[in-house]
Amino acid sequence: EVKLVESGGGLLKPGGSLKLSCVASGFTFSNYWMHWVRQAPGKGLEWIGEIEYDGTETNYAPSIKDRFTISRDNAKNTLYLQMSSVRSEDTATYFCTTLGVRGDYWGQGVMVTVSS
Amino acid sequence: DVVLTQTPVAQPVTLGDQASISCRSSQSLVHSNGNTYLEWYLQKPGQSPQLLIYKVSNRFSGVPDRFIGSGSGSDFTLKISRVEPEDLGVYYCFQATHDPTFGGGTKLELK
Repeated sequence: EVKLVESGGGLLKPGGSLKLSCVASGFTFSNYWMHWVRQAPGKGLEWIGEIEYDGTETNYAPSIKDRFTISRDNAKNTLYLQMSSVRSEDTATYFCTTLGVRGDYWGQGVMVTVSS
Repeated sequence: DVVLTQTPVAQPVTLGDQASISCRSSQSLVHSNGNTYLEWYLQKPGQSPQLLIYKVSNRFSGVPDRFIGSGSGSDFTLKISRVEPEDLGVYYCFQATHDPTFGGGTKLELK
């Protein structure tokens, strides 16, 4: 059974930092580009970034570029999202996903709330 | 940034009717390799999104044939014939030809 399980969410203040994790199982993690997608409360989906199979290439949405960093550890089947200099508009549920036809796998999401 | 504009924002339907959702892009989604990376996702209430259509008109594994994607260039449509209760939720178009972006979403709801 394919599983993506996010963790690490919570409440933090503006300007703070947080690291999300996503543990994958049931498929060959290292064969997939991985993505983070977020959804603010009551709003639509926003793609925020991706990482290549071995982590050598990353791409980010302008809204989070230079503040967030995506990394992965294929030995641990784990994807990461390091969030820094967070703002209130980063409040959202964060999903990790393979995104796309090779395998449409999604986690259940983890909530991050940025508030003073 | 490529902006995807979906219309309508909400689509009230009667079960058994057809529904149609439009997705227009601010620029062509034809990749230099000739493919058009336009996908459609459905997010049911309380669930993670799920892929329905990839490369404009190809149904993902297990997606019923009442879901039909069409279009080209910068103008795309998702049609759902004979709407069933499990089709209700929010539909998103998504492009991966350029730096990826989602459309704003269309809520398919009962009249």
